[in-house]
Amino acid sequence: DSGVTQTPKHLITATGQRVTLRCSPRSGDLSVYWYQQSLDQGLQFLIQYYNGEERAKGNILERFSAQQFPDLHSELNLSSLELGDSALYFCASSVRSPPDTQYFGPGTRLTVL
Amino acid sequence: DAKTTQPPSMDCAEGRAANLPCNHSTISGNEYVYWYRQIHSQGPQYIIHGLKNNETNEMASLIITEDRKSSTLILPHATLRDTAVYYCIVRVGLFNTGTASKLTFGTGTRLQVTL
Repeated sequence: DSGVTQTPKHLITATGQRVTLRCSPRSGDLSVYWYQQSLDQGLQFLIQYYNGEERAKGNILERFSAQQFPDLHSELNLSSLELGDSALYFCASSVRSPPDTQYFGPGTRLTVL
Repeated sequence: DAKTTQPPSMDCAEGRAANLPCNHSTISGNEYVYWYRQIHSQGPQYIIHGLKNNETNEMASLIITEDRKSSTLILPHATLRDTAVYYCIVRVGLFNTGTASKLTFGTGTRLQVTL
């Protein structure tokens, strides 16, 4: 158990819908990262937040957005969902100190029908 | 981040040591070597990391060559539960703004531990 929690574990929805994935980092961790893992793309970095502020963006679509709240939990919002958005979404957290090791949550499996 | 090269798959008998190699010939002086593994579709699990010296923890040992261009992850007594995809990642270890903070996962090595 890494200490990172993600909800829900599974999510099934239809094309065009909007969903919100939630992540609670390990106690004391200020950074949250979101990654997407699809069958054809592997694990891809989406976005990073540190203490409420966006710090880095990866291959995140404009239909996707994220935020980190004052209690440090984070939410990833996916809208206008397409079949190709079906994937595992992982959240990771780390402390702000070298070497900034990231610990991953169990993931949310999103299925878009 | 430096690119890494790993064999796509390896087999290991249960109880034997599993030695997983990784080449990272373009590694920079401030880049760490990290190892993660992913069991089936679970979240990637951190194993170990190192900069220059060999490292050991309760899960594994990491041997980094003197020129730092390659490394080997050693699972001393592999069990069936060690069957997973193992990822070698090289990245800047300092907390930075920008995309230096991300982990770049390659295709990894699929380790199959057999009886």
